[in-house]
Formats: sequence, C-alpha cells, structure tokens
Amino acid sequence: AQSVTQLGSHVSVSEGALVLLRCNYSSSVPPYLFWYVQYPNQGLQLLLKYTSAATLVKGINGFEAEFKKSETSFHLTKPSAHMSDAAEYFCAVTSSGNTPLVFGKGTRLSVIA
Amino acid sequence: KAGVTQTPRYLIKTRGQQVTLSCSPISGHRSVSWYQQTPGQGLQFLFEYFSETQRNKGNFPGRFSGRQFSNSRSEMNVSTLELGDSALYLCASSLAAGGSYNEQFFGPGTRLTVL
Repeated sequence: AQSVTQLGSHVSVSEGALVLLRCNYSSSVPPYLFWYVQYPNQGLQLLLKYTSAATLVKGINGFEAEFKKSETSFHLTKPSAHMSDAAEYFCAVTSSGNTPLVFGKGTRLSVIA
Repeated sequence: KAGVTQTPRYLIKTRGQQVTLSCSPISGHRSVSWYQQTPGQGLQFLFEYFSETQRNKGNFPGRFSGRQFSNSRSEMNVSTLELGDSALYLCASSLAAGGSYNEQFFGPGTRLTVL
C-alpha cells in the first residue's frame, strides 16, 4: 500500500525566507508524486508533479521539488516566501496501476511579514 | 477550457436526511474521484468512477454511494446523514486513472453542514 507522510502540520516562515515543506512517501512500485495547494474555501490546485522524467521538478509560483529515491522524499521548496503563499499544501502519491491518489495530511504554511 | 464544477457549493441538512452532490468534470476527462475533507482526518478518498464504472472505493460506510453518467458527470449520495458527515466534499477529474494520467483537477467543493 502507498502512503505519504508530511512532517509538520504547520510551518511558519518570514516573508522572503526559504520555504521547505517535507514529504516522504512509501511505495512498492515506482511512484508518481504531486504537490497541491489549497487556499481558504477553495479546491486543490496542482503545483507540480514528478513522473519519472527529471528528478528536479519546477512548478508554478516559483515552487520546485526534488525526487530523492534513496530517501523516499519529495520535499517542496521555494527560495523566497511571499505573503500570497500562505495556504495549505498537500503531497500525494499514486502508481502507474489502477490506484487512487493517496494524500498526506497537509501542511499549513503561514508567512509572517 | 472550463474547470471542474460542483453544485451546490453550500448545503445545510439535518440528521437523518439524505443529500445528493453533483460534479461536472473537465471536458474530455473520463475519471471522477470524490474526497471528503475534514480538519481531523484530512483528505479521505471516497470513490472513483471511470466510464460509468466504479474502479475504486475508500473505507466509507454504505451510506455513501455514487454514480457516473455517460457524459462523465458524477453524483454522490449520502443517506441517513450524521453529524460527522459535515465536511467539504471535493470532486476531481482526470483524463484516466493511474500514473501520470492521474493528475487530478479539483473543483471548489461542496460544503455540507449537518445539524
């Protein structure tokens, strides 16, 4: 079975500081990995996805994530936080088979001015 | 291209009632998945439909059911509502199921409140 662990339910950073949101996955088959963002009272929006091409994936709004198979990690980073980045972020995993997307519990990002 | 639409956006029901939520996927998408989102449990997978067939089902009681129509639109139904069913219900569509094709596009959700 696949699973996702997001370390830290709440992360707080200062505006302009590095954003690092952690995601570790468990999968017995090659995974496909996703990061989604959810703003208050909205659905989820795809930030980026890993599909076994490049291990460093660039997404929207300046976010990127690096797939590290040896560490089973897919951490999300952004060099400089902006107030508009305050939201909840979800990491998700699936496989090439007929399996539903499995989400982590989410990490709420706060950005302090 | 229009996104995923969900109706209604907000709903208030009382215990024991039943409710039907609707989801229209992105044009051309054949897979529709439903999730329940609550503060305590996060995003929990309910079920997935592909070409009118249920492909996967999460760990929810039989009070939760769904269906998909030939135009890929989907409905989910919750019977005999309980207080714990209060949640944001999210629908997501994708081209197909599995792998990179499982890039899901989410609707804004239906906020269900059970009193």
